[in-house]
Amino acid sequence: DADVTQTPRNRITKTGKRIMLECSQTKGHDRMYWYRQDPGLGLRLIYYSFDVKDINKGEISDGYSVSRQAQAKFSLSLESAIPNQTALYFCATSGKQGGELFFGEGSRLTVL
Amino acid sequence: AQSVTQPDIHITVSEGASLELRCNYSYGATPYLFWYVQSPGQGLQLLLKYFSGDTLVQGIKGFEAEFKRSQSSFNLRKPSVHWSDAAEYFCAVGSNAGNNRKLIWGLGTSLAVNP
Repeated sequence: DADVTQTPRNRITKTGKRIMLECSQTKGHDRMYWYRQDPGLGLRLIYYSFDVKDINKGEISDGYSVSRQAQAKFSLSLESAIPNQTALYFCATSGKQGGELFFGEGSRLTVL
Repeated sequence: AQSVTQPDIHITVSEGASLELRCNYSYGATPYLFWYVQSPGQGLQLLLKYFSGDTLVQGIKGFEAEFKRSQSSFNLRKPSVHWSDAAEYFCAVGSNAGNNRKLIWGLGTSLAVNP
């Protein structure tokens, strides 16, 4: 099993729908991140959490919210999806000292 | 402004040929440098990292990178490319090992390998 698991892997939805992307990890890491990847724009940080009680906005948090349900779980929500949120979303984790990021396999979201 | 530039958007090499992927950065503090690889349909995986010490860093899958402070570069190399190396490669720079929220990512270089 993967150390960082994202569900769903693929999702097609319509404008205005609420969407939740889930991430769970077995690495035992405190730090978790949500990134968005778009062609030509690279990786951009949406939200990050350094422990269960710590949630922080990244560079592109507008239109997104997150929940850190447990050390191992970090979910990303789109309250009202719009087409320009169509992208590949990655969850990642890292240890207390940071350094290497461990990524999930990604969740491809299409908003029609 | 802090930035990471990967000048080559796409590179094609023949299997068995050598490879060099370029990464240039602009950063005000001592940089911590990373190369990640993204295989098709997969998440990113760390190839190697440079924090301090020897400027030639060895990574997984036979890759190495050399930090050149005077040139603000951290180029990735492999002496003989395998077909399985076809992937997207990302360079990233951060301010310290514990501050991933400040990582600055390059836009990536897509590598194709001809048989």
